[in-house]
Amino acid sequence: EDKVVQSPLSLVVHEGDTVTLNCSYEVTNFRSLLWYKQEKKAPTFLFMLTSSGIEKKSGRLSSILDKKELFSILNITATQTGDSAIYLCAHLIAGTASKLTFGTGTRLQVTL
Amino acid sequence: GAVVSQHPSRVICKSGTSVKIECRSLDFQATTMFWYRQFPKKSLMLMATSNEGSKATYEQGVEKDKFLINHASLTLSTLTVTSAHPEDSSFYICSARGLAGAKNIQYFGAGTRLSVL
Repeated sequence: EDKVVQSPLSLVVHEGDTVTLNCSYEVTNFRSLLWYKQEKKAPTFLFMLTSSGIEKKSGRLSSILDKKELFSILNITATQTGDSAIYLCAHLIAGTASKLTFGTGTRLQVTL
Repeated sequence: GAVVSQHPSRVICKSGTSVKIECRSLDFQATTMFWYRQFPKKSLMLMATSNEGSKATYEQGVEKDKFLINHASLTLSTLTVTSAHPEDSSFYICSARGLAGAKNIQYFGAGTRLSVL
């Protein structure tokens, strides 16, 4: 059974700090890893990672995949209170209609 | 682009009644939509994959007769919780698969919080 594990489960930081969120996976037939941000309701797409070692970047957020270590990280620099959310990592299952297996999520709270 | 609308956002119903939740892709056609359930402080659990014009594919442990899915058009999928009971109370979220260059990305609706009394 595919497994996606995120750590830490929750995190509280001060505004301006840099955070690193972790996602490890044990899956058969790896295809891609996706990161989502869930604030109040709908998860919003952040990144899709397919190749190892290639950093994806969007503003203060960046993510990278290590297929050898079965690991991905999501970095947020100069955090703001608006970054407070649950960050979800998901594995895109190969050979299916784009089904996703989600991790438990990391709840990030950014305080003033 | 890639906006998914889900309605209603909140529903409260009596035990034994049926509830229908709609999921619409507003600015793109979605041949495949997904229905998830999310328990408090837990991650998204896939319930079923909804395919336009054909039967839904349910995940193991999900009752087909309990959670009826209809995907009658390229922009609309519905989930009907039949004879709802308090244990069905949960947060239900739908997503739609993108097309072409974004076909492996799912775009999510805002979710429906169901409370069964």
